[in-house]
Amino acid sequence: GDSVTQMEGPVTLSEEAFLTINCTYTATGYPSLFWYVQYPGEGLQLLLKATKADDKGSNKGFEATYRKETTSFHLEKGSVQVSDSAVYFCALSRSAGNKLTFGGGTRVLVKP
Amino acid sequence: EAQVTQNPRYLITVTGKKLTVTCSQNMNHEYMSWYRQDPGLGLRQIYYSMNVEVTDKGDVPEGYKVSRKEKRNFPLILESPSPNQTSLYFCASSFSLAGGRSEQFFGPGTRLTVL
Repeated sequence: GDSVTQMEGPVTLSEEAFLTINCTYTATGYPSLFWYVQYPGEGLQLLLKATKADDKGSNKGFEATYRKETTSFHLEKGSVQVSDSAVYFCALSRSAGNKLTFGGGTRVLVKP
Repeated sequence: EAQVTQNPRYLITVTGKKLTVTCSQNMNHEYMSWYRQDPGLGLRQIYYSMNVEVTDKGDVPEGYKVSRKEKRNFPLILESPSPNQTSLYFCASSFSLAGGRSEQFFGPGTRLTVL
């Protein structure tokens, strides 16, 4: 079945540091790939997505590129802020049923 | 404001006492789904609905029921809750697009504790 693997946290960074969260997936066909973010006490919200190979999703300074050859969708941000402290989930979906298969989540803590 | 609402936000109950968690969306989405979030496991799908009167099991449906009598509402029912259903629950909705391309909108979550 489908699966998503992402690096375990927590990841602790200083403000303005570079952030990378690795995500790899296993799925048949051509899934759509997503990064969702969960701020403390809130539900998940879409951060960015990519629906086909070599697509780059970007939002709020975050980027991720759909790499089919390595089945990866790594999340990057060049300069993090304290407000980026959250849990980040990589996910895939490949059916009209819209089911999302999630990774385990990576907690990121940015210190001033 | 476009949103998914859930009630209650927090619930503490005892084993065996039936409960319902409500979910409502105002975006006219066809697709609705319930997930549970447990530490280290991410979110796992419990049940989903493609449209009114169309529901199906997700990955972890045991111990749960759902219904979809109206397009906007998708309640989650625990007929006889057990402690292993203690979790954080999220309702989500989206339009149905081919290839799973549609963004899902999530509610704020319901933290359930079963004693």
